[in-house]
Amino acid sequence: GAVVSQHPSRVICKSGTSVKIECRSLDFQATTMFWYRQFPKQSLMLMATSNEGSKATYEQGVEKDKFLINHASLTLSTLTVTSAHPEDSSFYICSAQPYKETQYFGPGTRLLVL
Amino acid sequence: AQTVTQSQPEMSVQEAETVTLSCTYDTSESNYYLFWYKQPPSRQMILVIRQEAYKQQNATENRFSVNFQKAAKSFSLKISDSQLGDTAMYFCAFMKHNAGGTSYGKLTFGQGTILTVHP
Repeated sequence: GAVVSQHPSRVICKSGTSVKIECRSLDFQATTMFWYRQFPKQSLMLMATSNEGSKATYEQGVEKDKFLINHASLTLSTLTVTSAHPEDSSFYICSAQPYKETQYFGPGTRLLVL
Repeated sequence: AQTVTQSQPEMSVQEAETVTLSCTYDTSESNYYLFWYKQPPSRQMILVIRQEAYKQQNATENRFSVNFQKAAKSFSLKISDSQLGDTAMYFCAFMKHNAGGTSYGKLTFGQGTILTVHP
């Protein structure tokens, strides 16, 4: 149980285009989902918290107009990187939290912007 | 704000031996959870063990156990009988929650410790 999927697992795009990453909780309903960014051999950096049916809460320094988050249902959250640039290249991880303390993580999405 | 510190960037251990990873945290909260997650080369984050702050008994999960010292704000992870599959980056994490446990906060991660198990 407690499986979280992410799609795509890796994506390469041209600078200036937008990329959408999906995060799904497969066998539970997630009241809250989180989006993280991770650079190689570094810790996870929380980007935003999303609750189903409400606007996401972004961490300080994260551009909400660049990283659009939608949490339309209890099993799906999406992160859209708008007008991507090479500096947005990174590993993006989502997690889903049912109504208890543990977060379950997706396998991550590797984004490369050329 | 909470902070989590892992002072060991890298550790290594021989297969079948025991290793301890250190973690300290700073908080003024009284109700919280502590976690250890592992991230193997696949980069999938996997929950290793969880400790509720109000419980004095240290959590154990098979070969994994913690030494939770609340007064010292220390939360170390002991891995016994280390296996090659334990090679991963390990993250200590903190989460506060409100009294009554009705709402949960976000995770604050430490910097991580890269553990290599040698055959």
